[in-house]
Amino acid sequence: EVQLVQSGTEAKKPGESLRISCKGTGYIFATSWIGWVRQMPGKGLEWMGIIFPGDSDTRYSPSFDGQVTISADKSISTAYLQWSSLKASDSAKYFCARRIAGGLGLDVWGQGTTVTVFS
Amino acid sequence: QSALTQPASVSGSPGQSITISCTGTNSDVGGSDYVSWYQQHPGKAPKLLIYDVNNRPSGASLRFSGSKSGNTASLTISGLQSEDEADYYCSSYTSSGSTFYVFGTGTTVTVL
Repeated sequence: EVQLVQSGTEAKKPGESLRISCKGTGYIFATSWIGWVRQMPGKGLEWMGIIFPGDSDTRYSPSFDGQVTISADKSISTAYLQWSSLKASDSAKYFCARRIAGGLGLDVWGQGTTVTVFS
Repeated sequence: QSALTQPASVSGSPGQSITISCTGTNSDVGGSDYVSWYQQHPGKAPKLLIYDVNNRPSGASLRFSGSKSGNTASLTISGLQSEDEADYYCSSYTSSGSTFYVFGTGTTVTVL
């Protein structure tokens, strides 16, 4: 079964760093783009960026460029989303998702990682 | 880039058909064959319903269909069922900037 399994809930303070993960199983991880999506409490989906694990080609939404870093380690089939200095406004649920082969939809989604930043 | 515009809410009775619109620009919906639709139940991850305007992924229900005309894409749900009550989001490839996607504002479907 093809799955994306994300790391668990995080509670952090403003200014702290954080890296959350997304591990792919059941397919060749290096050959499919992995995207990251933010959903703030009670709000809609926001596109953050996408990475091709095979060569780490990465594209960012203008809204998130410079605010987060997307990376991947194909040797362990894992993609990452990281912050160097969290803000309260980063509190949200973050999803990773795989781009479907031969198309541009996101066909497999992780369960989401909830990040809460509070002082 | 700005989010694609969807109606905030759409409702229908069981068995009816409803349509959700998704309006963009020539830089996204109008200039792309890459429009997707997602369903999200509360507390759950989104689920792909339609990709590349009118293609269903493996296992997706035939009751969901997609189309596009100009800068507006549409999702039609036929034979509305209680389990269709959820939030729906469109997404499109965008040629604006270096990113791949832009999402719609989201539509809440209520089954009366």
